[in-house]
Amino acid sequence: DGGITQSPKYLFRKEGQNVTLSCEQNLNHDAMYWYRQDPGQGLRLIYYSQIVNDFQKGDIAEGYSVSREKKESFPLTVTSAQKNPTAFYLCASSRQGFNQPQHFGDGTRLSIL
Amino acid sequence: AQKITQTQPGMFVQEKEAVTLDCTYDTSDPSYGLFWYKQPSSGEMIFLIYQGSYDQQNATEGRYSLNFQKARKSANLVISASQLGDSAMYFCAIPYGNNRLAFGKGNQVVVIP
Repeated sequence: DGGITQSPKYLFRKEGQNVTLSCEQNLNHDAMYWYRQDPGQGLRLIYYSQIVNDFQKGDIAEGYSVSREKKESFPLTVTSAQKNPTAFYLCASSRQGFNQPQHFGDGTRLSIL
Repeated sequence: AQKITQTQPGMFVQEKEAVTLDCTYDTSDPSYGLFWYKQPSSGEMIFLIYQGSYDQQNATEGRYSLNFQKARKSANLVISASQLGDSAMYFCAIPYGNNRLAFGKGNQVVVIP
């Protein structure tokens, strides 16, 4: 079945450590997105990519980095510069066009050890 | 950026009854649309329904219908014949920029048997 796969489901980070969250899609979508969700809050955009080898900062990009070397993959690295990384991270993809829905993975829950 | 407001407190609804969720938005775009997503306790975001501001008729997808009140900059999601599986957070979102979505903070719905 087509969809978006995020891994791992749960991730623990030590102080000063970088961690990478995986996001893979087989929907043949051009656009991919990373969101952060804190308890009781909506989604906030971290980074997004409209096409391979190109990406833009969202509203809360500080402390995060991404790459888009393949159409199917959009990994997110949470760097040690992100001082409050504990959150639920959601990856999404969509076709181009403002009326195209974004389709989401199951999320990764990141916690600090 | 667009502003989305979802201010209803948590809602309890009897199984088989209808529930209406409110979303108000602020956008300067002359043409826009609005999405509704469902987030069960497991965390994934599920696309439910979309309607463009230019659409003449309210969108319907199964038990979900979206009612635009453009003069009030408001859009309601109506879930008819509630089921226990409808218990979740519901988010409205409006597109802006390059395929980006601005999300509200969500409405909690609990369906009771």
